Amino acid sequence: KAGVTQTPRYLIKTRGQQVTLSCSPISGHRSVSWYQQTPGQGLQFLFEYFSETQRNKGNFPGRFSGRQFSNSRSEMNVSTLELGDSALYLCASSWTIAGGMNTGELFFGEGSRLTVL
Amino acid sequence: DAKTTQPTSMDCAEGRAANLPCNHSTISGNEYVYWYRQIHSQGPQYIIHGLKNNETNEMASLIITEDRKSSTLILPHATLRDTAVYYCIVREPMIYNQGGKLIFGQGTELSVKP
Repeated sequence: KAGVTQTPRYLIKTRGQQVTLSCSPISGHRSVSWYQQTPGQGLQFLFEYFSETQRNKGNFPGRFSGRQFSNSRSEMNVSTLELGDSALYLCASSWTIAGGMNTGELFFGEGSRLTVL
Repeated sequence: DAKTTQPTSMDCAEGRAANLPCNHSTISGNEYVYWYRQIHSQGPQYIIHGLKNNETNEMASLIITEDRKSSTLILPHATLRDTAVYYCIVREPMIYNQGGKLIFGQGTELSVKP
């Protein structure tokens, strides 16, 4: 069974540019969460999507956005990149139970490592 | 913010049990405790979770105190491959299709030594 797939794995951008990261969840998983990981701040929650709707959001500026498609695949976008956006961006998917709550057992991808110059 | 406190680092001898403590003194009655680990350069991996009873699976055991203010993750026979950062997480309850997200703290860096 394929795991969570994130693309691209590595990318380099310059300040002011924008970036789109993609996440394909495990087949059957409908909840997708995104996290940012940096050495200084650790793992920080960005947002969670379920059924094409964002239902949880972390404390990030509006430059960070995402969406989910009908096949549960998800993308996140960061506009007007800043040096501090350099990080590992992790996507995780999860089964959901009655009411759409994810089970809390998140399956993470290997991440997309973004470097902003 | 994370609702847990963990030691920054711990060492364990290979083959011995690794006992990783976690304090969560402000935990509410309907909040679960989750444990994840992250091996260097990989995404976090789910280990185990529990509410009030002790739990065991093929990876580890979770012991939650009766007052639920602390817990211990036990790796019964640590191997070198268990070297990782271990995160203890109190999961907020889900209300009206909101919440339930996992907020990671700084975790405990466990080094298993030969």
